[in-house]
Amino acid sequence: EVLLVESGGDLVQPGGSLRLSCAGSGFIFSDYGMNWVRQAPGKGLEWISYISRDAGIRYSADSVKGRFTVSRDNTKNSLYLRMNSLRAEDTAVYFCARDAYDAAFDCWGQGTLVTVSS
Amino acid sequence: DIQMTQSPSSLSASVGDRVTITCRASQSISNYLNWYQQEPGKAPNLLIYSASNLQSGVPSRFSGSGSGTDFTLTISSLQPEDFATYYCQQSYSSPRSFGQGTRLEIK
Repeated sequence: EVLLVESGGDLVQPGGSLRLSCAGSGFIFSDYGMNWVRQAPGKGLEWISYISRDAGIRYSADSVKGRFTVSRDNTKNSLYLRMNSLRAEDTAVYFCARDAYDAAFDCWGQGTLVTVSS
Repeated sequence: DIQMTQSPSSLSASVGDRVTITCRASQSISNYLNWYQQEPGKAPNLLIYSASNLQSGVPSRFSGSGSGTDFTLTISSLQPEDFATYYCQQSYSSPRSFGQGTRLEIK
């Protein structure tokens, strides 16, 4: 079974940092590009970051550029999101998602909640 | 950046109804258009990829069409489990933007 499991979500103060993890199993992790997508409470989906299979290509949304960094460790079948200078508007459930045919996201984790508040 | 606009934002329908949701891109995206279903409190689920390809395991009552800037998702006969929120997403270029969502409610 293909599975993605996020972890690392927490309550953090404005200006703080956090690292999210996403563990993949049931597939060859290094064969797939990966993404982070977030959803603020009661709002829609926002794509925030992509990393290619070998980490040679990375894209980020303007809303997080310079603050968030996506990385991966294929030896550990893991994807990461380092989040710095967190703001209240970063409060959301963060999902990792696998890139599939024509870059559709065919597998998603269950999400991890990040709350930025003092 | 490519903007994705869905209509309607919400929709009330009955079991058995045929429903169509539209998605418009601010520029041509060829057929790089995907549709997702999201139930409350759950992760999104891929329904349609590349505008018209049914994802494995998705019921055949779901279909997608379109190319360029205008796309549609059709549910041929609504079932109780279909009442959820639907999102389109373009995968033509970064940022891989989503539409704002269409909430499908029971009439």
